[in-house]
Amino acid sequence: DAGVTQSPTHLIKTRGQQVTLRCSPKSGHDTVSWYQQALGQGPQFIFQYYEEEERQRGNFPDRFSGHQFPNYSSELNVNALLLGDSALYLCASSLEVKSSYNSPLHFGNGTRLTVT
Amino acid sequence: KQEVTQIPAALSVPEGENLVLNCSFTDSAIYNLQWFRQDPGKGLTSLLLIQSSQREQTSGRLNASLDKSSGRSTLYIAASQPGDSATYLCAVSPSGTYKYIFGTGTRLKVLA
Repeated sequence: DAGVTQSPTHLIKTRGQQVTLRCSPKSGHDTVSWYQQALGQGPQFIFQYYEEEERQRGNFPDRFSGHQFPNYSSELNVNALLLGDSALYLCASSLEVKSSYNSPLHFGNGTRLTVT
Repeated sequence: KQEVTQIPAALSVPEGENLVLNCSFTDSAIYNLQWFRQDPGKGLTSLLLIQSSQREQTSGRLNASLDKSSGRSTLYIAASQPGDSATYLCAVSPSGTYKYIFGTGTRLKVLA
């Protein structure tokens, strides 16, 4: 049973550049969430995708955007990179439960982004 | 605004000890609470999920309790082992949202 896979594992970019991170959800999952984790901090919610739509967004600027594909995989795009965007970016998948929000998250190993 | 706090920030114990990690949250309107483990430079591994209507969940040597009215959860680890060394994070899913709000974690080191 394949878990959540993310690519690439590490990435180094220069200020002002753009980056795309990719995520394949756990088999059977249809919902993808993205989190940013700075060193020594807990993950911060960026947004969640379901049925190819962004259905909730955290407190992140419009430079952060995403996409979900028909096969449920997802991309996170960050434009105009800042030094402060350096972090571990985590993708989490879950299975939509129509009757409630109580769906556990399954995380990938993340993409370590360094902005110089 | 929901805030999640974990105490202690770091803990070092000898192998074999039973230990308790604490998590508190400011708003009791949650759908569930989830405990995770994170190894250095890695993603998060789900340990236990407690629904808002439940009081506790158990998996092997782990037991998590939830007191929603007081905004507290504890993770109990029995007979700790060096392999338990990791950062433990708790996260709550606020009612009416799809997100989880995380604490900053407890960094645990179990000495052989």
